[in-house]
Amino acid sequence: NAGVTQTPKFRVLKTGQSMTLLCAQDMNHEYMYWYRQDPGMGLRLIHYSVGEGTTAKGEVPDGYNVSRLKKQNFLLGLESAAPSQTSVYFCASRRFRGNRGGLTEAFFGQGTRLTVV
Amino acid sequence: TQLLEQSPQFLSIQEGENLTVYCNSSSVFSSLQWYRQEPGEGPVLLVTVVTGGEVKKLKRLTFQFGDARKDSSLHITAAQPGDTGLYLCAGVRETSGSRLTFGEGTQLTVNP
Repeated sequence: NAGVTQTPKFRVLKTGQSMTLLCAQDMNHEYMYWYRQDPGMGLRLIHYSVGEGTTAKGEVPDGYNVSRLKKQNFLLGLESAAPSQTSVYFCASRRFRGNRGGLTEAFFGQGTRLTVV
Repeated sequence: TQLLEQSPQFLSIQEGENLTVYCNSSSVFSSLQWYRQEPGEGPVLLVTVVTGGEVKKLKRLTFQFGDARKDSSLHITAAQPGDTGLYLCAGVRETSGSRLTFGEGTQLTVNP
């Protein structure tokens, strides 16, 4: 059971280059999220999706775009990378509803360490 | 400003000591969660608290949800080096539906 898989795990980009981070989950979860984590900080929400074909902005969406064409995949794109986007990126997914109410558990990938020079 | 504010940001203690970490907000949450993250890994869920005033225990860890559902605390009794890690609270506001946001985290180091 793979859970949440992120590719690539590491990447170095030059300023102005573009790239796409892929997140794939095999748990049939409705919700998917992209976060960035900087030193000394928690997770900041970039974009999220509540289902196939839908996306929404999080706390820090500028400079990023996302797509969710298939339920199991959530793509994060950087159109023109900037050094400020150097960070560790985490993808997460969770079920829409739990059996006993309250938030359902979010499952995370291993992260993508991105450096923009 | 962060929606969920955690304190302290850093905590370094000796093995056997007790500690409490706080997660506060001015917003009401439908429920709150606590995650633990180790270096190079994604966060892993410890607990979900749903009802105002709820207390949950997980071995030496005790979690409490505030009566007004705006805050939570994590208390660790007799901390061990294996408790070292980044502790994160997370939640969805009552008015937000599905937007899962995290606090800044508390980096805990337990020295042998």
